[in-house]
Amino acid sequence: RKEVEQDPGPFNVPEGATVAFNCTYSNSASQSFFWYRQDCRKEPKLLMSVYSSGNEDGRFTAQLNRASQYISLLIRDSKLSDSATYLCVVNTNAGKSTFGDGTTLTVKP
Amino acid sequence: DAGVIQSPRHEVTEMGQEVTLRCKPISGHDYLFWYRQTMMRGLELLIYFNNNVPIDDSGMPEDRFSAKMPNASFSTLKIQPSEPRDSAVYFCASSFGGGLSYNEQFFGPGTRLTVL
Repeated sequence: RKEVEQDPGPFNVPEGATVAFNCTYSNSASQSFFWYRQDCRKEPKLLMSVYSSGNEDGRFTAQLNRASQYISLLIRDSKLSDSATYLCVVNTNAGKSTFGDGTTLTVKP
Repeated sequence: DAGVIQSPRHEVTEMGQEVTLRCKPISGHDYLFWYRQTMMRGLELLIYFNNNVPIDDSGMPEDRFSAKMPNASFSTLKIQPSEPRDSAVYFCASSFGGGLSYNEQFFGPGTRLTVL
């Protein structure tokens, strides 16, 4: 079993749709959590951190459930420019980062 | 700041040759990470350094791979001898602070390696 698991998708949604991605992690000692975005043939870039109380950044909402070892990302009113691969990232207190394989999103007109 | 700089951006070599990938982290960052990305295995952490000292190299696939960080502004990842299965995109990333805090990792543009 992988340390960080994501549904690979692809998710194909129309503009304006709401879409949610899930991620589970196996290491209960994990300390910090992130969502990164990676465009085709580009490097990953931080989308948002995921805090215990949940956090929102514009159309994006991230949730963390430590008991279930589960992270989610919700995108509201999706735009064409949201098309990308979304990577779930989990850090241990030893500083090690583990990336999920990513979920691919395509937003269509 | 120019961001994380990697060179070369593309490398095509023949099996058995030595390959050296280079990385210049963002000035002031104390953590440096080397990753490899393939379609089959996704993004894998190979090794990371804190203040130029290797902390965890458990992701390095085998003895053919080695990494060094002689100073705070330069790191290399060497593959000797290279094999076709080493073909991948190799990313370098840096951050200020590591996994204990919510510090963003900044990735370089990657080196696309093809071993024939």
